[in-house]
Amino acid sequence: RKEVEQDPGPFNVPEGATVAFNCTYSNSASQSFFWYRQDCRKEPKLLMSVYSSGNEDGRFTAQLNRASQYISLLIRDSKLSDSATYLCVVTTSFGNEKLTFGTGTRLTIIP
Amino acid sequence: DGGITQSPKYLFRKEGQNVTLSCEQNLNHDAMYWYRQDPGQGLRLIYYSQIVNDFQKGDIAEGYSVSREKKESFPLTVTSAQKNPTAFYLCASARHWEAFFGQGTRLTVV
Repeated sequence: RKEVEQDPGPFNVPEGATVAFNCTYSNSASQSFFWYRQDCRKEPKLLMSVYSSGNEDGRFTAQLNRASQYISLLIRDSKLSDSATYLCVVTTSFGNEKLTFGTGTRLTIIP
Repeated sequence: DGGITQSPKYLFRKEGQNVTLSCEQNLNHDAMYWYRQDPGQGLRLIYYSQIVNDFQKGDIAEGYSVSREKKESFPLTVTSAQKNPTAFYLCASARHWEAFFGQGTRLTVV
């Protein structure tokens, strides 16, 4: 089983719709969780951290479910500019900050 | 401006040659990482380093080597032992697990 798994998509969603992705992780000792965004042929950039209590940043909401070992990203009122690949990242700290990326979920917003 | 710089952006090499990819950061981060990304795929960890003169193998270290002689620098050598070296290579530095990436090097081996 992979350490971090995502549905690769693609997700083709009409503009204005709400879309959600999940990311599952296998190591119950995982400590920190993030969502990154990667545009085509560019480097990934941090979108948001995922806290135990969940967090919201404008149209984006991230949540963590430790019991079921997954994190989620919800995008409301999707814009054309949201088209990108969304990568989840999981870290496991044993004094060893290894960042493990999921394979990414590709999102295309359709006009 | 603080940031992380990878060079070159594009690199072409003949099969069987070793090649070194540069990664420099001025963010004063202790942790640095090398990832490989193939078309339509996610990032796979090659090597990472938490401190100068120390580094650990990632998930796909075979055929690669690194050094960390300075905090600012973490070069990656792609050796002739790497069977499929053509890929997009991304270097990152991190603080408190937030990673900042360079713009990447696209390596093509012909």
